[in-house]
Amino acid sequence: GDSVTQMEGPVTLSEEAFLTINCTYTATGYPSLFWYVQYPGEGLQLLLKATKADDKGSNKGFEATYRKETTSFHLEKGSVQVSDSAVYFCALSPQGGSEKLVFGKGTKLTVNP
Amino acid sequence: DAGITQSPRYKITETGRQVTLMCHQTWSHSYMFWYRQDLGHGLRLIYYSAAADITDKGEVPDGYVVSRSKTENFPLTLESATRSQTSVYFCASKASYNQPQHFGDGTRLSIL
Repeated sequence: GDSVTQMEGPVTLSEEAFLTINCTYTATGYPSLFWYVQYPGEGLQLLLKATKADDKGSNKGFEATYRKETTSFHLEKGSVQVSDSAVYFCALSPQGGSEKLVFGKGTKLTVNP
Repeated sequence: DAGITQSPRYKITETGRQVTLMCHQTWSHSYMFWYRQDLGHGLRLIYYSAAADITDKGEVPDGYVVSRSKTENFPLTLESATRSQTSVYFCASKASYNQPQHFGDGTRLSIL
């Protein structure tokens, strides 16, 4: 079945460091891919999405490119801030859409000043 | 724009009690979902609903009951709470099949 694998955390960085959180998926065809962010004490918020191969999703300085050849959707940010400290979830929706999302287990990011 | 609201935000109860978690959305989204979030397990889908009066089981439905008599509400009931149901519960909704899900702020439930 469909699945999402994220790099395990926690990830700890200093402010202004470069961030990469790896995400790979297993699914048939061309699923839609998402990154969600969960700040402490809050629900998940959609950060960015991509719906077809080679699409780049971007928001708040974060980017992720849909790579069909490597079945990946890695999240990157050039210069992290303390306020980026959160848990990040990669997720997919199977091709053609689905009632449900398949989530990775989440990666906790802590950014120190 | 109230969005999706969960209540209560925090709840403490005892084993064997019935408890209902409420979820209300103002967008008239067709789809609604209940998840639980536990360390080491990530997010797991409990139940979902594609429309009023249509519900279906997710990954971990045992011990839970849902109903959806109105599009905007999707309550989750633990009929006889157990300690293993201590968790953070999230409700989500989405407009249609291909749209992303939007989440509430969660209910932290502790069962003693």
